[in-house]
Amino acid sequence: DQQVKQNSPSLSVQEGRISILNCDYTNSMFDYFLWYKKYPAEGPTFLISISSIKDKNEDGRFTVFLNKSAKHLSLHIVPSQPGDSAVYFCAASARSGGSNYKLTFGKGTLLTVNP
Amino acid sequence: DAGITQSPRHKVTETGTPVTLRCHQTENHRYMYWYRQDPGHGLRLIHYSYGVKDTDKGEVSDGYSVSRSKTEDFLLTLESATSSQTSVYFCAISDVGQLKNIQYFGAGTRLSVL
Repeated sequence: DQQVKQNSPSLSVQEGRISILNCDYTNSMFDYFLWYKKYPAEGPTFLISISSIKDKNEDGRFTVFLNKSAKHLSLHIVPSQPGDSAVYFCAASARSGGSNYKLTFGKGTLLTVNP
Repeated sequence: DAGITQSPRHKVTETGTPVTLRCHQTENHRYMYWYRQDPGHGLRLIHYSYGVKDTDKGEVSDGYSVSRSKTEDFLLTLESATSSQTSVYFCAISDVGQLKNIQYFGAGTRLSVL
């Protein structure tokens, strides 16, 4: 039972254009959502997050949108740069007893930005 | 990598041998996690710790044990390694308070079980 789904294994865009990465979730208990970027042979790097009480969060070229009714979030990268080429993981957080919080990750989307 | 060191970075071992991976942090964060990453599966939680000597299971804990005797160290042990445990293992840490949901990852350990 996959609670966080990234249905596009890969995405290719041209430099300077917008990249849109999508993520769907099924668990209504998720209250915080995150995006991580991962380069080969490195650990995932935190990129941007959003609380379930908001619908948008922006940080420079990166914007995350949350549609709670549709249980859908997306990451927009504008403008896309070749250095953005990486695997992007969507993650969702839920409390797991007491003050523990656990992340559930999607399978990732490989973004390729072509010069 | 947010003051997180994983060792070893690479290891090749044989089926049936015990293996211990170490995660060391210098951030004094309360929570520590072990994940494995496999093609087609993303990142899956193996075990996590919410304090010294306090640990709990994740979604893929079978065949793994953990220990945390100090705040800064979280060990993952494969008691008898199997080929299905060939994977890349990541340690992560998180703190309490406003940033409790954000986990920071180490560089990973690539483990091959032959």
